[in-house]
Amino acid sequence: DARVTQTPRDKVTEMGQEVTMRCQPILGHNTVFWYRQTMMQGLELLAYFRNRAPLDDSGMPKDRFSAEMPDATLATLKIQPSEPRDSAVYFCASAADSGANVLTFGAGSRLTVL
Amino acid sequence: SQQGEEDPQALSIQEGENATMNCSYKTSINNLQWYRQNSGRGLVHLILIRSNEREKHSGRLRVTLDTSKKSSSLLITASRAADTASYFCAAWGTNDYKLSFGAGTTVTVRA
Repeated sequence: DARVTQTPRDKVTEMGQEVTMRCQPILGHNTVFWYRQTMMQGLELLAYFRNRAPLDDSGMPKDRFSAEMPDATLATLKIQPSEPRDSAVYFCASAADSGANVLTFGAGSRLTVL
Repeated sequence: SQQGEEDPQALSIQEGENATMNCSYKTSINNLQWYRQNSGRGLVHLILIRSNEREKHSGRLRVTLDTSKKSSSLLITASRAADTASYFCAAWGTNDYKLSFGAGTTVTVRA
């Protein structure tokens, strides 16, 4: 089964530290999404890329978050400096640009900022 | 902002009963999708219904779409304990290239 791979699965860090989350989309999928899930806000779209170009990152706090796709097999989401309110589960999802737009999600990275 | 809003927020039913949840969205859509999330896991796609379709079936799932009311419903028939999960609707807007999720309905199926 083709799957989206996210690392790390769990991360506990202290406030002020840099956090980098990585995502390997399904081979051949050219659209990548980053979502954040919390109990209070639900699923929030942070950023998405098409053919490695950022199309929309309006959901991200720009001062501390950055998202990149260095190549077609890797997407990264970086938080610097991290804050306790960043504690959440971060999901990466990818989709083929076939018009069906079905997303395949990774298992998520659970971030806890102390 | 979230495109879809689910109702009810939580649902508890007996095994064998049907579960129905509703979703409303705000803008014109290309398609509407339903996903399931088991506790501690990622979301899994269940079914997609296009804006020109009114009803779709997949196994024990039945989805309806009413674009005039900007609403959709998901029916799970003959529920099983394994159907216990959160269910999310997600709308793919006509004028954008992203999928926006609702708050979800938590379904508990009692044995």
